[in-house]
Amino acid sequence: AQSVAQPEDQVNVAEGNPLTVKCTYSVSGNPYLFWYVQYPNRGLQFLLKYITGDNLVKGSYGFEAEFNKSQTSFHLKKPSALVSDSALYFCAVRDMGGNTPLVFGKGTRLSVIA
Amino acid sequence: GAVVSQHPSRVICKSGTSVKIECRSLDFQATTMFWYRQFPKQSLMLMATSNEGSKATYEQGVEKDKFLINHASLTLSTLTVTSAHPEDSSFYICSAPLVAGALQPQHFGDGTRLSIL
Repeated sequence: AQSVAQPEDQVNVAEGNPLTVKCTYSVSGNPYLFWYVQYPNRGLQFLLKYITGDNLVKGSYGFEAEFNKSQTSFHLKKPSALVSDSALYFCAVRDMGGNTPLVFGKGTRLSVIA
Repeated sequence: GAVVSQHPSRVICKSGTSVKIECRSLDFQATTMFWYRQFPKQSLMLMATSNEGSKATYEQGVEKDKFLINHASLTLSTLTVTSAHPEDSSFYICSAPLVAGALQPQHFGDGTRLSIL
């Protein structure tokens, strides 16, 4: 069975500083990994995905994520945080084959302080 | 712009009321849609997979008679919470893949905040 772990409930960072939101995964085959962001009382917005290819994936709003197979990690990063980046971030994994649902981590709340 | 529309965004009603939530795919056909439930400060829990033209597939522990799912067309899935009680209060979110296949991201509605008094 596939699973995702987000070890941090909360991440605080000063505006302008780099941010990292951690994610590790467990799958039996090739991992298809995703990051989503959720703003209060809203659905989830897709940020980026890793399927294959370059380990560094670039996504929306200046975010990027680094796939590390040996460490089974897919950490979300941004070089310079904005206050508007404050939100709830979910890492997710999906098995291959058909319209299978995403399996989500528990989420990490990011607070960017001005 | 939004590709999945969910309605209503918020519902407040009395215990015993049945509530219908709609999830529409905009400008694309969705043979499959997913319904999630999110508790405060918790992750999304998959409730069921909605399949156009056939019965929904429910996750273990989700009462199919309590949470009725209908996927009557390629652009609309509905979730009806029957005889809702305060413990059903939650944030319900639907999603659909824009293009079928495991490699494609899902697109989510904005969710429905259900509050049962």
